[in-house]
Amino acid sequence: GDSVTQMEGPVTLSEEAFLTINCTYTATGYPSLFWYVQYPGEGLQLLLKATKADDKGSNKGFEATYRKETTSFHLEKGSVQVSDSAVYFCALIAGTYKYIFGTGTRLKVLA
Amino acid sequence: GAVVSQHPSRVICKSGTSVKIECRSLDFQATTMFWYRQFPKQSLMLMATSNEGSKATYEQGVEKDKFLINHASLTLSTLTVTSAHPEDSSFYICSAQDTGELFFGEGSRLTVL
Repeated sequence: GDSVTQMEGPVTLSEEAFLTINCTYTATGYPSLFWYVQYPGEGLQLLLKATKADDKGSNKGFEATYRKETTSFHLEKGSVQVSDSAVYFCALIAGTYKYIFGTGTRLKVLA
Repeated sequence: GAVVSQHPSRVICKSGTSVKIECRSLDFQATTMFWYRQFPKQSLMLMATSNEGSKATYEQGVEKDKFLINHASLTLSTLTVTSAHPEDSSFYICSAQDTGELFFGEGSRLTVL
């Protein structure tokens, strides 16, 4: 069945460091891919998405490119801030409503 | 964006009691809401799809009699964990779609003693 695999955390970085959180997927057909972020004490929020191969989603300095050849959707940010500390979830949807989530990666950014 | 609110955010109960968690769409109507469960260091797992005015659709392996879902209005779905046991302790999250995007509640952490 469809699945999402993302790197285990926690990831601890210093402020202004480069961030990469890896995400790979397995799906039949052509899924849409998402990154969600969960700040402490809050619900999940959509960070960015891509709906077809080679699309690049971007928001708040974060980027991810839909790579069909490597079935990946890695999340990157050039310079992280303390306020980026959160849990990041990679997800896909391959049907009408059934989202498949990765396990989440906790990011901690130190000042 | 649209707002989905859950209540309570945390609940502690004794084994054998029932607990109700509410999920509300605050500024939009949701004919369909979704209930997820998240175990520590694991993915969000879809438990069931809540349909307004009809029975919920449960995922394979989810006990219907254990996790009662009611979606009586376009803005409210409830999840009742019946006869809760310690293994039901978890983080429960609801979501709803608005204009194609999925919006999540804050989650409810259930601890069963």
